[in-house]
Amino acid sequence: DTEVTQTPKHLVMGMTNKKSLKCEQHMGHRAMYWYKQKAKKPPELMFVYSYEKLSINESVPSRFSPECPNSSLLNLHLHALQPEDSALYLCASSHATGGFQETQYFGPGTRLLVL
Amino acid sequence: AQKVTQAQTEISVVEKEDVTLDCVYETRDTTYYLFWYKQPPSGELVFLIRRNSFDEQNEISGRYSWNFQKSTSSFNFTITASQVVDSAVYFCALSEARAGTASKLTFGTGTRLQVTL
Repeated sequence: DTEVTQTPKHLVMGMTNKKSLKCEQHMGHRAMYWYKQKAKKPPELMFVYSYEKLSINESVPSRFSPECPNSSLLNLHLHALQPEDSALYLCASSHATGGFQETQYFGPGTRLLVL
Repeated sequence: AQKVTQAQTEISVVEKEDVTLDCVYETRDTTYYLFWYKQPPSGELVFLIRRNSFDEQNEISGRYSWNFQKSTSSFNFTITASQVVDSAVYFCALSEARAGTASKLTFGTGTRLQVTL
């Protein structure tokens, strides 16, 4: 079962709001990822957690704060966002073996609109 | 540094036509992995195929086929007898091989495929 779930599907928030995006996988994967995708562009990596530790932060502004409570869950806490942060936020997971079985599986995404 | 180039921004075909999506990559690694993902209008990135750099066998899966040529650093994707449901953005991606850790994907810019009746 190659399924990654994300909630909510859509989110509208004001620039002073605090909200969280959630991602869950039950494939036994040990790496989880957050990507940001603007319209007509490829996904851009934001964060990677490997074995529940933050292993990559692609110089993301501090108004985005990731959290990995356990190996199945990944959150992205949002605070004081800007309108230019409006995008599709995708979560992915993989085995974290780095070997030939290493494939990232993506969730359906959260469409975020910041007003 | 790794790079993936998808020169075709947009392709439009009529249903039942065959269509090939091009992907050219650059890497200094001797071991690496190549991927194709499909992104329909709903937004989810759907994994289609992975190819390992040491396995140049081409692959066919139903109406889909992939042609991996290391000599030209290309990994092209062909849809035979296209259907309207194939309409989507297709991304080619490359990752390095790093044992025991998460992978990092380098995506191409994507090719938007429009299949009409």
